[in-house]
Amino acid sequence: GNSVTQMEGPVTLSEEAFLTINCTYTATGYPSLFWYVQYPGEGLQLLLKATKADDKGSNKGFEATYRKETTSFHLEKGSVQVSDSAVYFCALSSWATDKLIFGTGTRLQVFP
Amino acid sequence: DAGVIQSPRHEVTEMGQEVTLRCKPISGHDYLFWYRQTMMRGLELLIYFNNNVPIDDSGMPEDRFSAKMPNASFSTLKIQPSEPRDSAVYFCASSPRTSGVDEQFFGPGTRLTVL
Repeated sequence: GNSVTQMEGPVTLSEEAFLTINCTYTATGYPSLFWYVQYPGEGLQLLLKATKADDKGSNKGFEATYRKETTSFHLEKGSVQVSDSAVYFCALSSWATDKLIFGTGTRLQVFP
Repeated sequence: DAGVIQSPRHEVTEMGQEVTLRCKPISGHDYLFWYRQTMMRGLELLIYFNNNVPIDDSGMPEDRFSAKMPNASFSTLKIQPSEPRDSAVYFCASSPRTSGVDEQFFGPGTRLTVL
């Protein structure tokens, strides 16, 4: 079945450090891929998405590239800020159903 | 737009009591999802609706859980009777018809504590 695997957290970084959060997926067909972010005390919100192979999603300085050959969608940011501290969820959509399949989430903590 | 609205934001109840969580989706959105989030199990999809019709309730943990969507602007998730293991944050999310499985807009959640 479809699934998403994310790296375990927490990821702890100093401000202005480079961020990578790994995400790999298993899916039949050609899913769309997403990163959602959850700030403390809030619901999830879409950060970026990519709908086909080699697409790059980007938003707020974050980027992720849909790599079909490695079934990956790693999240990157060149210089993190304290305000980026949150939980990040990788997800995929399946056209076979209307559901999003979420990973377990990766907590990012950024210190000044 | 006000976004997805959930009430109450916090609920504390005793084991055996009935709990009703409420959700108002974004106007015009045809899909509504109920999720549960815990530290142990992460984010779980409980049930979702399309045009007020339940499509998949395979994530509903037990018969103690039920969900309804009587109209396009309102949904409830009911737990009867509640148990301590039901303690979690419950999220409602909605999605527009044109997106289908695309972006989901989440509410702020209801934090449920069952004593």
